[in-house]
Amino acid sequence: EAGVAQSPRYKIIEKRQSVAFWCNPISGHATLYWYQQILGQGPKLLIQFQNNGVVDDSQLPKDRFSAERLKGVDSTLKIQPAKLEDSAVYLCASSLRGPNQPQHFGDGTRLSIL
Amino acid sequence: SQQGEEDPQALSIQEGENATMNCSYKTSINNLQWYRQNSGRGLVHLILIRSNEREKHSGRLRVTLDTSKKSSSLLITASRAADTASYFCAMISGGSYIPTFGRGTSLIVHP
Repeated sequence: EAGVAQSPRYKIIEKRQSVAFWCNPISGHATLYWYQQILGQGPKLLIQFQNNGVVDDSQLPKDRFSAERLKGVDSTLKIQPAKLEDSAVYLCASSLRGPNQPQHFGDGTRLSIL
Repeated sequence: SQQGEEDPQALSIQEGENATMNCSYKTSINNLQWYRQNSGRGLVHLILIRSNEREKHSGRLRVTLDTSKKSSSLLITASRAADTASYFCAMISGGSYIPTFGRGTSLIVHP
């Protein structure tokens, strides 16, 4: 079984620029998660999708972050404009059916804001 | 917030010793999961324990759950250098179904 794929692995941008991350979950997994992980901390959930619907986005800074999961498969997370405090690793995860089952994580995108 | 607290924040042991990490939480949960994260990689699921379970095993891993004390522990027996990683607990609350991770325990196993 192929794992969760994320790209790019690394991204360096200047503040106020925009950036997008892509995630391809494990085939057949209905639930997809985007997390932000700041160095030395645990992952913080940004948004959770069930198929192509949003389950929770209460911790997504909606003035600058957006995410979509068209057709209930791949997902993109966008930041526009980026701030210095957005420097972090952005992790995508998927699970078969909801958070009461194990999550499978990609290796993340490490974002550095200059 | 339901964020868990892991204890200790850092743990350094010799190969062959046991490592115990603890996780405490605030409100009722559906289940609690433990994950491992190697440097520069994503998290890897280790064990899921449901609120009506008290103990689960997987190889050298043993997880306990005490819902009366709102705490869980992860025991790694006969540790190896390859166990060096950060370990996180994740709580799934009873009502929200939103996963919440703790800050993690950084484990270093010296060969």
